[in-house]
Amino acid sequence: GQNIDQPTEMTATEGAIVQINCTYQTSGFNGLFWYQQHAGEAPTFLSYNVLDGLEEKGRFSSFLSRSKGYSYLLLKELQMKDSASYLCAVMDSNYQLIWGAGTKLIIKP
Amino acid sequence: DGGITQSPKYLFRKEGQNVTLSCEQNLNHDAMYWYRQDPGQGLRLIYYSQIVNDFQKGDIAEGYSVSREKKESFPLTVTSAQKNPTAFYLCASREKLFFGSGTQLSVL
Repeated sequence: GQNIDQPTEMTATEGAIVQINCTYQTSGFNGLFWYQQHAGEAPTFLSYNVLDGLEEKGRFSSFLSRSKGYSYLLLKELQMKDSASYLCAVMDSNYQLIWGAGTKLIIKP
Repeated sequence: DGGITQSPKYLFRKEGQNVTLSCEQNLNHDAMYWYRQDPGQGLRLIYYSQIVNDFQKGDIAEGYSVSREKKESFPLTVTSAQKNPTAFYLCASREKLFFGSGTQLSVL
């Protein structure tokens, strides 16, 4: 079966750095996505990785290792507004998105 | 501004009732999707459409129906056959997914 695993919840301090991991087992691979979702709102697109390596976009970076079936989202200089759920999703060989359950990130002052 | 509009924001369904969730987009995207989100679970695909007048079942299509008569519109009907409809419903378009603001459906 297809599976996406990410931690259920993480806590970090304002101004610090946090890394949210995602491991996957899917039928084929056509890219990995990270989304941010605030409570009661729709997910918003953060990043897309299809090749191995690190993609940096401001305070957020995303890393992919296809051989290990592993990705992480790195958030730097954490702000209170970063408190949200972070969703990992993989596009399989049929170009369908398989979603993880999301990681709830709690930022403390 | 281009985007996806979902309505209503909140919807209540009585037992035995069919309800329809609206999804409209002006992004000129061919592909549109309906997802269901339950607490503690990943998004699950209900239906998707790659082109007008064509749509495909997703992983949890039972108890739901859709239509795609216009490129801009992809309404979802939650029928009385769906016994556990309480969830957050998300409409999206295109492969990298632009999402609407969602509809929270609850049962009275």
